[in-house]
Amino acid sequence: QQQVKQSPQSLIVQKGGISIINCAYENTAFDYFPWYQQFPGKGPALLIAIRPDVSEKKEGRFTISFNKSAKQFSLHIMDSQPGDSATYFCAAVISNFGNEKLTFGTGTRLTIIP
Amino acid sequence: KAGVTQTPRYLIKTRGQQVTLSCSPISGHRSVSWYQQTPGQGLQFLFEYFSETQRNKGNFPGRFSGRQFSNSRSEMNVSTLELGDSALYLCASSLLFDRTYEQYFGPGTRLTVT
Repeated sequence: QQQVKQSPQSLIVQKGGISIINCAYENTAFDYFPWYQQFPGKGPALLIAIRPDVSEKKEGRFTISFNKSAKQFSLHIMDSQPGDSATYFCAAVISNFGNEKLTFGTGTRLTIIP
Repeated sequence: KAGVTQTPRYLIKTRGQQVTLSCSPISGHRSVSWYQQTPGQGLQFLFEYFSETQRNKGNFPGRFSGRQFSNSRSEMNVSTLELGDSALYLCASSLLFDRTYEQYFGPGTRLTVT
């Protein structure tokens, strides 16, 4: 059962543009939502994370928007750069001690073109 | 601080053999999780160890097993390898202190079963 649905599967954005990746979850027990960035040949790297008690979190050019009622969250990359080209995964966790396994979305391959 | 290290980085095995992969977490991290990454299934949770105890297990057959040592280093073992076990196996470590759920991934072990 796919508990975290991610879209689009691939995305091409022009340099300087805004990249938007969306995720939706089903389990309302999820209460921690990280985003990971993965370059070819590397493991996923934690990019930014949010808890559902806030609607937005910004770190540099990366922003997470969270809509608790719709059970959706999204990653916005402002002023996208070629170095941002990577695969991005959203994930969700139930943060009660003893059950912190990550449930991942299917990933979005982002390509930033000059 | 050194990141998560995994050995070996690449491995080629024959169907029916068994394999052991190793993971050294970030110093001070006590939780180690294992994930399987394939193009078709994405990132799937295998199991998680904390203080030498398996706390969570994903939906994988019993051929997949793991353990954690007193220094938090972890190994996973796959017995009777099948062609479908070809994947990138990722290890992630977490501090799990004060409800910190950030997981940091290693570069992975690329396993090819022929």
